[in-house]
Amino acid sequence: AQRVTQPEKLLSVFKGAPVELKCNYSYSGSPELFWYVQYSRQRLQLLLRHISRESIKGFTADLNKGETSFHLKKPFAQEEDSAMYYCALRRGNKLVFGAGTILRVKS
Amino acid sequence: GAGVSQSPSNKVTEKGKDVELRCDPISGHTALYWYRQSLGQGLEFLIYFQGNSAPDKSGLPSDRFSAERTGGSVSTLTIQRTQQEDSAVYLCASSSNRAGGGDTQYFGPGTRLTVL
Repeated sequence: AQRVTQPEKLLSVFKGAPVELKCNYSYSGSPELFWYVQYSRQRLQLLLRHISRESIKGFTADLNKGETSFHLKKPFAQEEDSAMYYCALRRGNKLVFGAGTILRVKS
Repeated sequence: GAGVSQSPSNKVTEKGKDVELRCDPISGHTALYWYRQSLGQGLEFLIYFQGNSAPDKSGLPSDRFSAERTGGSVSTLTIQRTQQEDSAVYLCASSSNRAGGGDTQYFGPGTRLTVL
């Protein structure tokens, strides 16, 4: 079954420290993966998608098919990065989401 | 333009009552999705509408849940005989679902449902 696993419920880092939010998936075909973010009191929004190979707000994510991972990384965390982050996998017409990781960036 | 809107923003109901949640997608978006966001469980797919095609109802948790989309635009999610485990935030999303996939789903603010 297609599944997305985010092993950390909460990740707390200091401002300026590197960030890595982990995401592992199980999928038999060629996966299409996304990271969504939800800032406090805001709606869920797309952060980035692996097919675009882009960097958004300093975040990048590389698809590693060998390790079935799509970890989200940023070299220097900022306080405004504090939010809930969801990794998602496209399965047909729908998205399968992980349970989410809360990122807290402390000053 | 305007994003996805949902109403009401909050709904408190008593166990056993029926509730209706409404979603207005982005104008021109042919695809509409409902998800449920429960504490500690992430987002769970409920149902998907695409144009005039039969909806994908594979995520509906029970026959108490139903949804319709009138005129290819506004959608209503109905929960009959609500139970306490139905308490969650119900999110609606829409996308242009252009050919070839890769479209972005745009989410509404959600409806927080509390069943007492």
